Amino acid sequence: NAGVTQTPKFRILKIGQSMTLQCAQDMNHNYMYWYRQDPGMGLKLIYYSVGAGITDKGEVPNGYNVSRSTTEDFPLRLELAAPSQTSVYFCASSYSASGSGENIQYFGAGTRLSVL
Amino acid sequence: AQSVTQLDSHVSVSEGTPVLLRCNYSSSYSPSLFWYVQHPNKGLQLLLKYTSAATLVKGINGFEAEFKKSETSFHLTKPSAHMSDAAEYFCVVSSGNTGKLIFGQGTTLQVKP
Repeated sequence: NAGVTQTPKFRILKIGQSMTLQCAQDMNHNYMYWYRQDPGMGLKLIYYSVGAGITDKGEVPNGYNVSRSTTEDFPLRLELAAPSQTSVYFCASSYSASGSGENIQYFGAGTRLSVL
Repeated sequence: AQSVTQLDSHVSVSEGTPVLLRCNYSSSYSPSLFWYVQHPNKGLQLLLKYTSAATLVKGINGFEAEFKKSETSFHLTKPSAHMSDAAEYFCVVSSGNTGKLIFGQGTTLQVKP
């Protein structure tokens, strides 16, 4: 019963470094999402995907890139890390986005990233 | 456009007393609304959801919420708080066909012995 798996759990980057946050789900969900959570705030959507090969920007996409080559995986790429990207990153997935009740998003445990 | 406002950033109750976490929403159409809970250093867990069926929604761990369209509210309640309820709670509205979630700022629930 893995659900949504994120790796790594923690990471410290230097300014200008790049890295990829991994996200995998084993529930055969079509929809996948990346959020960031800053201290004392709710989650903000970075990017989302409605299926393999399809991605779109969310509320705060600048400084990030994503790809969705398979249904299971949705990696998030930081090309030139900046201190403003220090945050906790959550990946989520859902079966659909409709109002049918199947649009429940399931979240991973998060990746805590510090950029120094 | 959809939005969510959680009216209290911090709520403190004594163990065994009722819990009320308040949430108002704004939506141009009939929304899907959720409450998620986040325990320290954990991911988010769904407590309950409203998707235009019964207006009183029962969730896990004894929580429930009532959708009131006339008041545009979706307050979360529990009759008797337990120490394990101490966590961050998020009221969330789903935005349209993409399923994008819009989060409130969160309410920290403290439960005192």
